[in-house]
Amino acid sequence: QSALTQPASVSASPGQSITISCTGTTNDIGGYNSVSWFQQHPGKAPKLIVYEVTNRPSGVSYRFSGSKSGNTASLTISGLQGEDEADYYCSSFSITYTWIFGGGTKLTVL
Amino acid sequence: QVRLVESGGGVVQPGTSLRLSCATFGFTFSSYGMHWVRHIPGKGLQWVAVIWYDGKNKFYADSVKGRFTVSRDNSRDILYLQMNSLRVDDTAIYFCARGRHYDSSGIDEYWGQGTLVTVSP
Repeated sequence: QSALTQPASVSASPGQSITISCTGTTNDIGGYNSVSWFQQHPGKAPKLIVYEVTNRPSGVSYRFSGSKSGNTASLTISGLQGEDEADYYCSSFSITYTWIFGGGTKLTVL
Repeated sequence: QVRLVESGGGVVQPGTSLRLSCATFGFTFSSYGMHWVRHIPGKGLQWVAVIWYDGKNKFYADSVKGRFTVSRDNSRDILYLQMNSLRVDDTAIYFCARGRHYDSSGIDEYWGQGTLVTVSP
């Protein structure tokens, strides 16, 4: 159960777009359309922002979008806003019927 | 509305036990799988365990397998995590979260506020 691989940090200016990658294997990301993304602000519970690779829960901004190619999933945030500054985690179902998280990516809005 | 409330965290010594509870409100608890996830300081989120809607199927992260046990009381709408042989690296904020469906499917948008477990000599 190795953690999925995410960049440790990413930064951009307000209004710009960023993409966070999440790399796994054929036993997790590559084998299932069960990738989720979570946003976590300091001291808060994680918030689901994308599920099943591309779907957004009700109330989540259209600025957040997910995709997948092979063993790598991606989260794109467009039109960056200050409130988007947070930690972002990917998660995937795995062949062992367990779930795996990525190491997290700290997004800084400059 | 849907609400999840964890309790039972605290400061314990290595090798001891602790039981966390997650009281749920506002949905049909017995219809959903339930997850435990922990946030380890400086390391991020780690999935811990899932239990299916009827309690008959349970799956664990390798790091807690054999030491932690997830269970549920569908008559009281409460989820539990029994943690035995606690180690310093189990120190974390523990969250319960509702699954999207009855089984091991993904974690939904409903999370508790977390309860802090500190394992220290």
